[in-house]
Amino acid sequence: SQKIEQNSEALNIQEGKTATLTCNYTNYSPAYLQWYRQDPGRGPVFLLLIRENEKEKRKERLKVTFDTTLKQSLFHITASQPADSATYLCALEQDGGYNKLIFGAGTRLAVHP
Amino acid sequence: EAQVTQNPRYLITVTGKKLTVTCSQNMNHEYMSWYRQDPGLGLRQIYYSMNVEVTDKGDVPEGYKVSRKEKRNFPLILESPSPNQTSLYFCASSPPPPNYGYTFGSGTRLTVV
Repeated sequence: SQKIEQNSEALNIQEGKTATLTCNYTNYSPAYLQWYRQDPGRGPVFLLLIRENEKEKRKERLKVTFDTTLKQSLFHITASQPADSATYLCALEQDGGYNKLIFGAGTRLAVHP
Repeated sequence: EAQVTQNPRYLITVTGKKLTVTCSQNMNHEYMSWYRQDPGLGLRQIYYSMNVEVTDKGDVPEGYKVSRKEKRNFPLILESPSPNQTSLYFCASSPPPPNYGYTFGSGTRLTVV
């Protein structure tokens, strides 16, 4: 079945730099892939969705790319701020269709002033 | 305000004592889902529902039941809780995929002793 791999090590960067987080999946390319933000003890918050026929998607300081050849999505936060510090989760459809959405374990981002 | 409401927020119970975690959404979403989140394992789907009276198992359904008698409500039932069900639980809802992400509730932290 489909598996998602996100870097379990925290990513530490300086304020103002671009943060890049990676999501790799193992099997077939999903029809779409989603990114969420989660703060400690709170529910994930949906950020962006990118479809398999889209190479790139942007929303304000966020950019997501989707490379079905590499089986990889990259999530970028430009001009990062301490308020961007959180765990970022990648999600995609499991075998069986759209509603079986599986999540990666997430990567924690810490932006230092 | 558009939201997914879970209750209770915190719950400590004893092994074997039946409990229900309620979930309600006010966005008229068709899709609803329950996840549990454990350290190092990420979010794992328990059950999902595509509409009233339509439910199906996720990846970790053992020991749980759900029902979807009304569109807005999707309760999670633990008939005989065990300590390995100690976890952080999230309910989520969305319009029909694949164009939208899930809206998550604030979570229910359950401890079974």
